[in-house]
Amino acid sequence: EPEVTQTPSHQVTQMGQEVILRCVPISNHLYFYWYRQILGQKVEFLVSFYNNEISEKSEIFDDQFSVERPDGSNFTLKIRSTKLEDSAMYFCASSPGTRGLNEQFFGPGTRLTVL
Amino acid sequence: RKEVEQDPGPFNVPEGATVAFNCTYSNSASQSFFWYRQDCRKEPKLLMSVYSSGNEDGRFTAQLNRASQYISLLIRDSKLSDSATYLCVVNRGNSGGYQKVTFGTGTKLQVIP
Repeated sequence: EPEVTQTPSHQVTQMGQEVILRCVPISNHLYFYWYRQILGQKVEFLVSFYNNEISEKSEIFDDQFSVERPDGSNFTLKIRSTKLEDSAMYFCASSPGTRGLNEQFFGPGTRLTVL
Repeated sequence: RKEVEQDPGPFNVPEGATVAFNCTYSNSASQSFFWYRQDCRKEPKLLMSVYSSGNEDGRFTAQLNRASQYISLLIRDSKLSDSATYLCVVNRGNSGGYQKVTFGTGTKLQVIP
């Protein structure tokens, strides 16, 4: 069964450094998403991406964040200058984009630790 | 009012019991609804989509009440393996690319032997 994959599983970085989190969505899906979950808290929407552009972003997704689909398979989240409060689990998801419910399938996540 | 609200629990129920969770949403423009389960430190996994007419999948039944703006999940004959956090998810998206997805805080279920 196809699945969303994410690398790395765990990233440790120093405050102020740039990080890039990578995701490979399910191959025939059209919508891509990034979420974060701070330990013990709810899953928070960051951004959705469709047709090679951002379709929606939350107030969390400020100028420090960017997303890219550099080729036909990868979908990346870049944090330009990490802060301590960026420490969280980051989940990538994709959905098929057909009319109707548009169910999302999640990757296993990247745990980001900012020191 | 929060966009999506759930009782955080925990719900502690014995094996074999029936348990129900509710979730309310505030935006009447919401279009699609889902239940996910999340195990500790794992990713959310889709449990069920919620259809307007209600739907059932084995021991799980989901209902949508648009007039009162809530969705429900019923689990019959609870198993130990049902212990998890159940997330209510509401999407205001459309097929034209707009997707605004909101997760509830989740309801924790603990099934006790």
